[in-house]
Amino acid sequence: DVKVTQSSRYLVKRTGEKVFLECVQDMDHENMFWYRQDPGLGLRLIYFSYDVKMKEKGDIPEGYSVSREKKERFSLILESASTNQTSMYLCASSLSSGMRQYFGPGTRLTVT
Amino acid sequence: AQTVTQSQPEMSVQEAETVTLSCTYDTSENNYYLFWYKQPPSRQMILVIRQEAYKQQNATENRFSVNFQKAAKSFSLKISDSQLGDTAMYFCAFMKPPPNDMRFGAGTRLTVKP
Repeated sequence: DVKVTQSSRYLVKRTGEKVFLECVQDMDHENMFWYRQDPGLGLRLIYFSYDVKMKEKGDIPEGYSVSREKKERFSLILESASTNQTSMYLCASSLSSGMRQYFGPGTRLTVT
Repeated sequence: AQTVTQSQPEMSVQEAETVTLSCTYDTSENNYYLFWYKQPPSRQMILVIRQEAYKQQNATENRFSVNFQKAAKSFSLKISDSQLGDTAMYFCAFMKPPPNDMRFGAGTRLTVKP
């Protein structure tokens, strides 16, 4: 079975800190995604990547950046964390075009 | 950009009964995919069912089935013989490949009552 892991389940950071969220998948998937999940808003796409070193902006990329140096790893970076970035962050991966996405367990980030 | 609307923020159903969750979407595309995902409390998001838009036949997975109305841009999920383990947030999602990015609805919180 596909496994998508995220570096932390819970994270507390201070305003202005640089935050790294890491995601690793073990099934050689081409595509990887970062979402944030907020009550009443569902999942919103931050960034995605369809190949190593490739990245595309999603619907809410402001305040975030990403890195994909290896196929299995996709990192989300908050350059200067702000309180409005307090949220649940979900990583996902998919094999190819039109295929289902597999999700990690999520990281609940609190910025104080 | 495509939008996905789930008009029922919360629903409840008695165990063993049938419930239908609604989803509508907006697109001008002809070829796309639709999904229902389930997120149990404090657990990982998992796929419930997947529908390819070019297939007229509605997808089914055991107790889960969809009513896909392409012209109406409607994609509802029917859960038959509801079980306590079906209690979860359910998200409808739209994907148009490439580039495979997915858009989600706001979710419906389903509670199955004993």
